[in-house]
Amino acid sequence: DADVTQTPRNRITKTGKRIMLECSQTKGHDRMYWYRQDPGLGLRLIYYSFDVKDINKGEISDGYSVSRQAQAKFSLSLESAIPNQTALYFCATSDLYRGPRQDTQYFGPGTRLTVL
Amino acid sequence: KQEVTQIPAALSVPEGENLVLNCSFTDSAIYNLQWFRQDPGKGLTSLLLIQSSQREQTSGRLNASLDKSSGRSTLYIAASQPGDSATYLCAVDAGNMLTFGGGTRLMVKP
Repeated sequence: DADVTQTPRNRITKTGKRIMLECSQTKGHDRMYWYRQDPGLGLRLIYYSFDVKDINKGEISDGYSVSRQAQAKFSLSLESAIPNQTALYFCATSDLYRGPRQDTQYFGPGTRLTVL
Repeated sequence: KQEVTQIPAALSVPEGENLVLNCSFTDSAIYNLQWFRQDPGKGLTSLLLIQSSQREQTSGRLNASLDKSSGRSTLYIAASQPGDSATYLCAVDAGNMLTFGGGTRLMVKP
């Protein structure tokens, strides 16, 4: 089984709808991240969480919110989706105790979101 | 603000060629640099991580170098194979977040 899972894998929705993307991990990591990827732009950080009580904005947090329900679960919400939020969304985890600057991040398979 | 650029954006080579992917970054105050591989429909997989104090890392046919002072890294792939076809992303860690380049889409033709 995959260590980092994302649901749904694909979603098509309409402008103005509320959308939640979910991420679960079985790696036992404390740190979790949400990124979006647009063609040719690489990945950009939306939010990150160092533990259940610590949530931080990333580079492009406007229009998004997150919830860290447990160590293993980190959800991303689009309160009112708009077309320019159409993108590929990735969840990632990393291990605090091995040193975040020495360890890699482990990525989920991604959620392709289309907002019409 | 850290900016990461990858050149070329796309590359097509015949099987067996040695190739070099380039990554440049604007702020040399980094902790490490990573190279990732991205396959369609899948997430990113870390290939190599170079600490700021290191000059290179090797894994099989892959060799990554880092010149922090000039803000450059290269990923060298020896004897390329069709299975190497993917998008390659570099990312720098300068604090609590990774900054990614736009990626190089590699196609290795049989």
